[in-house]
Amino acid sequence: AQKITQTQPGMFVQEKEAVTLDCTYDTSDPSYGLFWYKQPSSGEMIFLIYQGSYDQQNATEGRYSLNFQKARKSANLVISASQLGDSAMYFCAMRRSSASKIIFGSGTRLSIRP
Amino acid sequence: EPEVTQTPSHQVTQMGQEVILRCVPISNHLYFYWYRQILGQKVEFLVSFYNNEISEKSEIFDDQFSVERPDGSNFTLKIRSTKLEDSAMYFCASSLPLGTDNEKLFFGSGTQLSVL
Repeated sequence: AQKITQTQPGMFVQEKEAVTLDCTYDTSDPSYGLFWYKQPSSGEMIFLIYQGSYDQQNATEGRYSLNFQKARKSANLVISASQLGDSAMYFCAMRRSSASKIIFGSGTRLSIRP
Repeated sequence: EPEVTQTPSHQVTQMGQEVILRCVPISNHLYFYWYRQILGQKVEFLVSFYNNEISEKSEIFDDQFSVERPDGSNFTLKIRSTKLEDSAMYFCASSLPLGTDNEKLFFGSGTQLSVL
């Protein structure tokens, strides 16, 4: 079985500060991919970043980086220099290489204070 | 950038009626998906489709649901005899083949289904 856990239902952060959104996962597959998606109030699902289980380095995409700790089965999203437009719901997700589906965590609602 | 398109953006139906939600995936993608999201809740996997057949489906995807790729571009989700609890945002998504460097899901903007 596979499972994604996001333990922070909501977070408030001051603008320009860095923020870490937690994600832990559970799978017995040796090969898998981890994703983060952003869902603003408009509702669309926006891809942010991807990490493969065999990638040696942590993924980075602009202000987003993924703190991948394989032994702990965690894949935290770090947003540097947060902006007001970062206020949204953030979902961690996982796909096992042996499966086609991606499953999502319950999400973290991030609110950036000016 | 290519995108997944979904129609309609909103659908209102009476309980017990059938609805068909439509999607046009990105043209060179091979995997197609339906997800749903009840307001404020998590994004739930319904079904994945590959090579003209269902690849995986969740417990939610019972006999009430069916998917079809009637031509080379459209991908549809049919809900027979809708129930009040089917009210949700339904997302279509597509992706490149598994194992490629870019296997992320591209999502459509969703169809908000309201069952009255």
